[in-house]
Amino acid sequence: QKEVEQNSGPLSVPEGAIASLNCTYSDRGSQSFFWYRQYSGKSPELIMFIYSNGDKEDGRFTAQLNKASQYVSLLIRDSQPSDSATYLCAVRGAGNNRKLIWGLGTSLAVNP
Amino acid sequence: KAGVTQTPRYLIKTRGQQVTLSCSPISGHRSVSWYQQTPGQGLQFLFEYFSETQRNKGNFPGRFSGRQFSNSRSEMNVSTLELGDSALYLCASSSLTGGAIYNEQFFGPGTRLTVL
Repeated sequence: QKEVEQNSGPLSVPEGAIASLNCTYSDRGSQSFFWYRQYSGKSPELIMFIYSNGDKEDGRFTAQLNKASQYVSLLIRDSQPSDSATYLCAVRGAGNNRKLIWGLGTSLAVNP
Repeated sequence: KAGVTQTPRYLIKTRGQQVTLSCSPISGHRSVSWYQQTPGQGLQFLFEYFSETQRNKGNFPGRFSGRQFSNSRSEMNVSTLELGDSALYLCASSSLTGGAIYNEQFFGPGTRLTVL
């Protein structure tokens, strides 16, 4: 069973701090990795994706991928109370069907 | 470009009834995936359709079925509803461009189903 694991949290950080969210995956052949944000009662919205080892930055968000360690993370710099949400990690596997496997999400609370 | 739309947004049914949910993907997207989301269970994958063909299927009973039409719109049906089917049902569309490995999914607002 291919899995994606995330710490459920809640992760609590003060406003202005860096929030670090982690995700590990079991399928070594996984090719692409996605971070989604989901506010309570809303549907998930895409923050960013990454498919090459290293860092990818988009505004206050940085995704980090280490395929050797099967680990992907999301850093949120200068965290704001509006960043308080559940963050979902999704991994697309290898093969023709390239099924998307989802983690259960990490709840983030940014305290003013 | 309009986003993914789902109808209805809210639905209340009783046990034993059946329900049909509808999803219209982003224009030009040919892949539609369906998910069930309940507290504590996360996103549970139901099925994925591409060009009217089911490409992937999750571990749900046969009471859950779906289809996709030639215009890429998709429907899912749940027959003989059970209390445990109460959930947020999400539809996501993707372009699934050939050769692209990222093909991110974009979600609709969801249909909140309550089974009494």
